[in-house]
Amino acid sequence: GDSVTQMEGPVTLSEEAFLTINCTYTATGYPSLFWYVQYPGEGLQLLLKATKADDKGSNKGFEATYRKETTSFHLEKGSVQVSDSAVYFCALAPIQGAQKLVFGQGTRLTINP
Amino acid sequence: EPEVTQTPSHQVTQMGQEVILRCVPISNHLYFYWYRQILGQKVEFLVSFYNNEISEKSEIFDDQFSVERPDGSNFTLKIRSTKLEDSAMYFCASSPGRTYNEQFFGPGTRLTVL
Repeated sequence: GDSVTQMEGPVTLSEEAFLTINCTYTATGYPSLFWYVQYPGEGLQLLLKATKADDKGSNKGFEATYRKETTSFHLEKGSVQVSDSAVYFCALAPIQGAQKLVFGQGTRLTINP
Repeated sequence: EPEVTQTPSHQVTQMGQEVILRCVPISNHLYFYWYRQILGQKVEFLVSFYNNEISEKSEIFDDQFSVERPDGSNFTLKIRSTKLEDSAMYFCASSPGRTYNEQFFGPGTRLTVL
């Protein structure tokens, strides 16, 4: 079945460091791909999305490119801030029928000043 | 900005008791969802709801679970006889349309079954 695998956390970086969180997926057809972020005490918020191969989603300095050849959707940011500390979830929406989201396990990111 | 709300934020119950988790989706949305996250595990889809009926459910969503939209604003998840393994964070979400539209999530209800 459809699945998403994220890099293991937690990840701890210093402010202004470069961030990569890896995400790979297994799906039938061409799913839509998403990154959600969960700040402490809050719900999941959509960070960015891509709906077809080679699309690049971007928001708040974060980027991710839909790579069909490697079935990947890695999240990157060139210079992280303390306020980026959160849990990041990669997710896919399967192309067939249902609207459900399939999530990765989440990666906890901590940015130190 | 409109948001999905959930109540209560934390519910503690005894095994075998019934619980109802409540959600108020964004008002003009048409699709509603429940997900859960057991501590340390993935966020898992439970059920989707459209036009006053279940459109899809997962294997987790067995006869112990039910959903309802009792009025024009609330969307509820009922667990009839809770088990220890039902302890989890339960997230409600809503969406204006189908697959390619963003799902807007609530802050979650933490359910603890003793």
